[in-house]
Amino acid sequence: GQQLNQSPQSMFIQEGEDVSMNCTSSSIFNTWLWYKQDPGEGPVLLIALYKAGELTSNGRLTAQFGITRKDSFLNISASIPSDVGIYFCAGQPTPDPNYGGSQGNLIFGKGTKLSVKP
Amino acid sequence: DAMVIQNPRYQVTQFGKPVTLSCSQTLNHNVMYWYQQKSSQAPKLLFHYYDKDFNNEADTPDNFQSRRPNTSFCFLDIRSPGLGDAAMYLCATSRDRATSYEQYFGPGTRLTVT
Repeated sequence: GQQLNQSPQSMFIQEGEDVSMNCTSSSIFNTWLWYKQDPGEGPVLLIALYKAGELTSNGRLTAQFGITRKDSFLNISASIPSDVGIYFCAGQPTPDPNYGGSQGNLIFGKGTKLSVKP
Repeated sequence: DAMVIQNPRYQVTQFGKPVTLSCSQTLNHNVMYWYQQKSSQAPKLLFHYYDKDFNNEADTPDNFQSRRPNTSFCFLDIRSPGLGDAAMYLCATSRDRATSYEQYFGPGTRLTVT
């Protein structure tokens, strides 16, 4: 089935640092999304990308839809303590006739956990 | 105001005792989803309703069922919870299938099985 490889799995940030994470896939995706999940809460949509090459910002967050449609990255500039949490990439793949699940739904990466440097 | 509401936020049930989790939405969205999320893992789609049309994922156990009595409400029924079913259960909505990529999540229900 389709999978997303998200890296890094975890990282530590110091306030003011820039942060970068990415997602890759072996298959083509139509849409890429980035969610943030705080402990004990549901994921919140940060940025949605709909076209190859698209670069979109939301405050200090910037995300890009890769030209090959098989990857996306998320950058956080000048991180602050409330940026800690788990960031998930998610994508909507092109329909796969061999895929046993329902089509058109989101595939999630395994998440990048952002923590504060001790 | 909350748009996707899940009750309860925390649920404790006994091994084998049926449990129902509920989700309601004020967005008037056509599609409602149920995900299971275990610790440090990505959400895993269990099933979704497009209006009244139920769509089960191929690997969702029969132990999990769902009901959608109207547009606003959707329930997740676990018929005989096992210890392995302890997880966060997330409800999400999207306006329709064409916009299934833009999903709005509720805060989740944390299920503990004793």
